[in-house]
Amino acid sequence: NAGVTQTPKFRVLKTGQSMTLLCAQDMNHEYMYWYRQDPGMGLRLIHYSVGEGTTAKGEVPDGYNVSRLKKQNFLLGLESAAPSQTSVYFCASREAPQAYNEQFFGPGTRLTVL
Amino acid sequence: LAKTTQPISMDSYEGQEVNITCSHNNIATNDYITWYQQFPSQGPRFIIQGYKTKVTNEVASLFIPADRKSSTLSLPRVSLSDTAVYYCLVGVLGYQKVTFGIGTKLQVIP
Repeated sequence: NAGVTQTPKFRVLKTGQSMTLLCAQDMNHEYMYWYRQDPGMGLRLIHYSVGEGTTAKGEVPDGYNVSRLKKQNFLLGLESAAPSQTSVYFCASREAPQAYNEQFFGPGTRLTVL
Repeated sequence: LAKTTQPISMDSYEGQEVNITCSHNNIATNDYITWYQQFPSQGPRFIIQGYKTKVTNEVASLFIPADRKSSTLSLPRVSLSDTAVYYCLVGVLGYQKVTFGIGTKLQVIP
């Protein structure tokens, strides 16, 4: 099993450009998450999905959109990148049981917006 | 959401037991306490979860007093490879009510 994979690993954008980050998991997990991690800020939840075809906003959703067309994939889109979106982005997935807090994280995507 | 407070950093020598305490005074009845570990340039990794008393697995132990207002992650005989950031989370992920704080940066010294 590959677990959770993220594409790409690194990316540099210019302000105003768009891009899509891909997250894929092969564990048949229902829940998937996108986080961003900034120095001194811990991880902050951007969007999440509780199943195929569903998405919801997290703590810091502005400037991002997501889609979950297939259960194994969760896409994060930046329509018009801004320097404030320079960050490391982590995707995670977990099984459905409500009271179990184990998430499986991907290796991250380091995004720089110039 | 329960607010958590943990030390920003800790140093320990190899072979020592390390205890990292997290305060969560406003923990709710349904909340669980979960700890994650993150190495540089990697995503966080689940270590352990508990509700009350003591939980132990092959990696760590988690001590939770009766009032549940704090918890202590115990790492036995740390090695250099345990150098990482450790996050204390309080809540229930299933209800999207869990947040990561800034964590405790543990540095293990030879």
